[in-house]
Amino acid sequence: KAGVTQTPRYLIKTRGQQVTLSCSPISGHRSVSWYQQTPGQGLQFLFEYFSETQRNKGNFPGRFSGRQFSNSRSEMNVSTLELGDSALYLCASSPDRGGTEAFFGQGTRLTVV
Amino acid sequence: DQQVKQNSPSLSVQEGRISILNCDYTNSMFDYFLWYKKYPAEGPTFLISISSIKDKNEDGRFTVFLNKSAKHLSLHIVPSQPGDSAVYFCAASLERGTSYGKLTFGQGTILTVHP
Repeated sequence: KAGVTQTPRYLIKTRGQQVTLSCSPISGHRSVSWYQQTPGQGLQFLFEYFSETQRNKGNFPGRFSGRQFSNSRSEMNVSTLELGDSALYLCASSPDRGGTEAFFGQGTRLTVV
Repeated sequence: DQQVKQNSPSLSVQEGRISILNCDYTNSMFDYFLWYKKYPAEGPTFLISISSIKDKNEDGRFTVFLNKSAKHLSLHIVPSQPGDSAVYFCAASLERGTSYGKLTFGQGTILTVHP
C-alpha cells in the first residue's frame, strides 16, 4: 500500500509570492491533516479535512488555507509569503475523522527568501 | 502554552540498554497518546499509541506507560539499537471522534544509541 505522498519535496519562493503544496493520502484514508514544523515552534497543527470539509483549524493566519478534493487528495496554499513561513510542511492521513494514528508523508521543505 | 512537554532535549544510551523517553501534558481532556520517530528529512513514523483507559501498551521492543494522575507518559525501548537513533515525539489528542485530526506534539527528544 502506497504511503502518503507530498509534492514537491523542496521549494524556494520569494517573499510576497504564494505557494501551493499537494498531498495524496493513503488509499482509503479520508482524513488529511497539515502540520508546520519549525525549529522554534516544533510541529504545529494547521488544519484537517474530511470528506472535502475543513473540520478543524489551528492558530495560523488566514494566509494559510487548504482544500480537499473528492478523491481525498488535499492541497494547502500560503499567500503573501513571509520569511517566517520557511518550514517543513507535513501532511498526515488517517482512516477516520478521529485522533487515531496519523501517517505522515515526507514533507515539503519550503524556503522563503 | 505548551500542552505537551518533553523536557529532555536529548538522551544518549548504550546499545542493548534501555532507553526511557518521557513526556508530560497539562490538558486533562487529552484522551489518546502517541509516539512518533523521525529521521532527518523524513516525516514522523508512528511507533505506538495508548488510550487513556489503559496504563500500558506493548509492541515488540516498545512499551508505553501512561500515568493519568501525574499526566505523564513514557516510552521504553528495550533493548536499544543504533538504528533507534532519531528524534522521538510524544503527541496527544482529544477523545476520538472529537479531535478532528489535531495532534498536539511535544518538542521532541533526540535519542542517540551508541554501539
